Amino acid sequence: AQSVSQHNHHVILSEAASLELGCNYSYGGTVNLFWYVQYPGQHLQLLLKYFSGDPLVKGIKGFEAEFIKSKFSFNLRKPSVQWSDTAEYFCAVNRAGSSYKLIFGSGTRLLVRP
Amino acid sequence: DGGITQSPKYLFRKEGQNVTLSCEQNLNHDAMYWYRQDPGQGLRLIYYSQIVNDFQKGDIAEGYSVSREKKESFPLTVTSAQKNPTAFYLCASSKGGTSGGTYNEQFFGPGTRLTVL
Repeated sequence: AQSVSQHNHHVILSEAASLELGCNYSYGGTVNLFWYVQYPGQHLQLLLKYFSGDPLVKGIKGFEAEFIKSKFSFNLRKPSVQWSDTAEYFCAVNRAGSSYKLIFGSGTRLLVRP
Repeated sequence: DGGITQSPKYLFRKEGQNVTLSCEQNLNHDAMYWYRQDPGQGLRLIYYSQIVNDFQKGDIAEGYSVSREKKESFPLTVTSAQKNPTAFYLCASSKGGTSGGTYNEQFFGPGTRLTVL
């Protein structure tokens, strides 16, 4: 069965530190890839997405992610985090063209200390 | 102002009672979804609907039921058969279709937190 792994469950950083959150998936075919963010008390919202083309995608608020097909990975990065980035981050994968189902990872809680 | 609304925001239920969670969207999306979010487990799919009057079970459908009589509405009933119903429930929608890509991007509502007393 398809699965999505987020290996870091809790991350604590100081402001201005660099961030990288890992995401690996198990499906070998064509996929759509997403990172969602849930700020405290807010909706789950889309941070960035990859459907095809350039494997380095840029999202909102300075986030980016790189799709490495050979590693089945879609890691999220930000060069310098801010206190306002404190949130829970979810990676999600969808099999392109055949299913509506999004498979979510278990999430990573990020705490940025001022 | 387009979006997805869920009501109520907080819901308390006694054991043995059925309860229905509302989800409405005005995005003109064909597909709608219900997820359950538990701490440390991410989001798990309960049911989804690709079109009016049709829906499919997700990964954890036992103890839940849905209907899709209108395009904009996809209510979820948590029945007394659900063994551990206390959770945060999220509704989502997407354009739908099998074209993939942007049609699979899902938009989420604010959620309903259900607590069984």
